[in-house]
Amino acid sequence: QLQLQEAGPGLVKPSESLSLTCTVSGGAITSSDYYWAWIRQPPGKGLEWIGSLYYSGSTHYNSSLKSRVSISPDTSKNQFSLNLSSVTAADTAVYYCAGLHDAPTEFDFWGQGTLVTVSS
Amino acid sequence: QSALTQPPSASGSPGQSVTISCTGTSSDVGGHKFVSWYQQHPGKAPKLMIYEINKRPAGVPDRFSGSKSGNTASLTVSGLQAEDEADYYCSSYAGSNNFVFGTGTKVTVL
Repeated sequence: QLQLQEAGPGLVKPSESLSLTCTVSGGAITSSDYYWAWIRQPPGKGLEWIGSLYYSGSTHYNSSLKSRVSISPDTSKNQFSLNLSSVTAADTAVYYCAGLHDAPTEFDFWGQGTLVTVSS
Repeated sequence: QSALTQPPSASGSPGQSVTISCTGTSSDVGGHKFVSWYQQHPGKAPKLMIYEINKRPAGVPDRFSGSKSGNTASLTVSGLQAEDEADYYCSSYAGSNNFVFGTGTKVTVL
């Protein structure tokens, strides 16, 4: 069973960059059986897909965030990371990493989520 | 892409059924079979309940069912139980390796 765990700072200053890592256990991030994604949820609001990382290394981003976001793998640690630049208060949210099994079409496995607050 | 439209709330008594709609466009819900539904209890991560419109992952009760007609997908929870009280989100593949979520529906068991 795939397990995912997010980690990173809980507080980021406006205009700085937000960086989170997702540690995966129970499966290799390089496996063709899986795809990976980041999803966020502002307090009291709905879910927003941020972007996806395919086992091939290709990435796909939400067009509304594309100019500020990057997702990258760290195969040595079986992790993948999210970097979001030039953050504002609107980026305050619970950030989830997710695993997609067999096909990049639904989010099968989720981390517990980590709250990131953007504030000076 | 714009969020898929869901009703803010739905409710039913124990044992009854509740149906939640998820309306998109021909570019997302109407154009693909990759519609999924997620259950989220307060303070918890979402859980996949339905994928590819009407398929259930292992362990999800058959009280949960999905369907789609045109640009609108639906989730039905039959035989409502207290533990079904949660927020529910739909999601759809939107082409070009993009995804979009619904606005969310809070289900209350009366």
